[in-house]
Amino acid sequence: GNSVTQMEGPVTLSEEAFLTINCTYTATGYPSLFWYVQYPGEGLQLLLKATKADDKGSNKGFEATYRKETTSFHLEKGSVQVSDSAVYFCALRNTGANSKLTFGKGITLSVRP
Amino acid sequence: GAGVSQSPSNKVTEKGKDVELRCDPISGHTALYWYRQSLGQGLEFLIYFQGNSAPDKSGLPSDRFSAERTGGSVSTLTIQRTQQEDSAVYLCASSVPGTGEQYFGPGTRLTVT
Repeated sequence: GNSVTQMEGPVTLSEEAFLTINCTYTATGYPSLFWYVQYPGEGLQLLLKATKADDKGSNKGFEATYRKETTSFHLEKGSVQVSDSAVYFCALRNTGANSKLTFGKGITLSVRP
Repeated sequence: GAGVSQSPSNKVTEKGKDVELRCDPISGHTALYWYRQSLGQGLEFLIYFQGNSAPDKSGLPSDRFSAERTGGSVSTLTIQRTQQEDSAVYLCASSVPGTGEQYFGPGTRLTVT
């Protein structure tokens, strides 16, 4: 079945540091890949997505590239801000009748001023 | 425009009681999903509705859980004879099929005492 594995957290960084959050997946076929973010006290929001191999999703300075050869979708940002403190979830969606999302466990990012 | 709304935002109930959780999807979104977010299990898929098709109930954890969607819009998730392990945040999402983008509500935090 489908599964998503995220690196263990939490992660604490200083402002302006470089961020990488690892995500690997197992799926049949050709899934779409997503990063969702949950800011404190708020609901889940779509951060970025990629629908096919070698696609790069980007938003708010975050990027992730769909790597089929390594089954990965790592999230990166060159310079984090305090406002990026949140929980980040990697997810996949297979094509088919039920387009449910399969999520990773999530990782908490805290950015210090 | 209006996003996905859920009610109540918080619900505390005694073990053994029944609860109903409500979701109002974004107008025009024909696909509706319920997920559960708990500390030990992360985000789990529960049930999926698409238009007038039979719902995909493959994620419901037991027969105490049921859901319906009336008129292709509002959905209600019902948990009968609640147990302490049902304590979690219940999230609803809606989408336009084929886009892959699910929009989440703020969730209902259920606490079973």
